[in-house]
Amino acid sequence: DADVTQTPRNRITKTGKRIMLECSQTKGHDRMYWYRQDPGLGLRLIYYSFDVKDINKGEISDGYSVSRQAQAKFSLSLESAIPNQTALYFCATSDSGQGATEAFFGQGTRLTVV
Amino acid sequence: AQKVTQAQTEISVVEKEDVTLDCVYETRDTTYYLFWYKQPPSGELVFLIRRNSFDEQNEISGRYSWNFQKSTSSFNFTITASQVVDSAVYFCALSEAGSARQLTFGSGTQLTVLP
Repeated sequence: DADVTQTPRNRITKTGKRIMLECSQTKGHDRMYWYRQDPGLGLRLIYYSFDVKDINKGEISDGYSVSRQAQAKFSLSLESAIPNQTALYFCATSDSGQGATEAFFGQGTRLTVV
Repeated sequence: AQKVTQAQTEISVVEKEDVTLDCVYETRDTTYYLFWYKQPPSGELVFLIRRNSFDEQNEISGRYSWNFQKSTSSFNFTITASQVVDSAVYFCALSEAGSARQLTFGSGTQLTVLP
């Protein structure tokens, strides 16, 4: 099983619908992140969380919300999806220990808003 | 603010050629970390290397090598004797030690290795 699991892997939804992307991890890491990837733009940070009680906005948080239900679970919601939110979404985790370990990424969720 | 620039959008080489992917970064921190990730056509992100700002030694791992130069704020990645399986998008990323450890990514370089 993957250390960082995203569900669903693919989703097509209609404009205006609410959708939730889920992420769970078995790494035991305290930090979790949601990134969005668009062609030619690399990955951009949407939200990040240091622990269950600590949620922070990233570079492009408008139109998104998150929930850290437990240390191992971090969900991303689109309250009212719009076509320009069509993208590849990645969840990631990292450890807050000394030194920056690499981030561990899920396999991605390809979201299409029609 | 931190920034990563990968000026090469696309590179195409013939198998067995060497290829270098450029990465230039900007940061105000004296302690930071640089990364390279590979994204094959299947879409997942594969970690390749991490380098901290205090370690300017170049690194070689098989056909892969990395050249870190603080004087030019660059962290370039060379693939020697490229293979078709190296075809992927490669991302350079930066994390500042004082931040939430979030990664700032470059826009990526699409490498195509032709047989």
